[in-house]
Amino acid sequence: GNSVTQMEGPVTLSEEAFLTINCTYTATGYPSLFWYVQYPGEGLQLLLKATKADDKGSNKGFEATYRKETTSFHLEKGSVQVSDSAVYFCALRKGGGGATNKLIFGTGTLLAVQP
Amino acid sequence: NAGVTQTPKFQVLKTGQSMTLQCAQDMNHNSMYWYRQDPGMGLRLIYYSASEGTTDKGEVPNGYNVSRLNKREFSLRLESAAPSQTSVYFCASVPGTSGGNEQFFGPGTRLTVL
Repeated sequence: GNSVTQMEGPVTLSEEAFLTINCTYTATGYPSLFWYVQYPGEGLQLLLKATKADDKGSNKGFEATYRKETTSFHLEKGSVQVSDSAVYFCALRKGGGGATNKLIFGTGTLLAVQP
Repeated sequence: NAGVTQTPKFQVLKTGQSMTLQCAQDMNHNSMYWYRQDPGMGLRLIYYSASEGTTDKGEVPNGYNVSRLNKREFSLRLESAAPSQTSVYFCASVPGTSGGNEQFFGPGTRLTVL
């Protein structure tokens, strides 16, 4: 079946360090891939997305590239800030559209950035 | 626009009590979803509604019922709460049927069942 695997946290970094959070997926067809961020006490917000192979999603200095050959969608940021501390979720949505193509989430990775 | 709103924010129940979690969106979205979030398990889909008047089971529907009251509102009911239903519940909505559409989430309801 379809699934998402992301690295376990917590990930603890110093401010201005480089961030990578690994995400791999298993899916049939051509899913859309997403990164969501959850700040403390809040709901999830879309951070970035990619809808086809080799697409790069980017937002707020974060990037992720849809790699079909390695079934991966790793999240990266060149220089993290304390305000980036949050839980990050990788998710996929099966190809073909339709509301019945539900989001499948990874377990989430807690990022803690220290000043 | 308020986006997706959920009430209540917090709730404590005793085992066997019932309650309804409310969700509303003012973005004219067609599809709505209920998730639960548990530590180490990410978000799991409970029920969803592809359009007004339709509902379908998700990954973990047991112990829950839903009602899509109109296009705006999608409620989740626990008929007889159990400690295993202690969780954070999120409602989400999607504009249409494109595979790349973003899901918009509410702020969540934190439920504790004693």
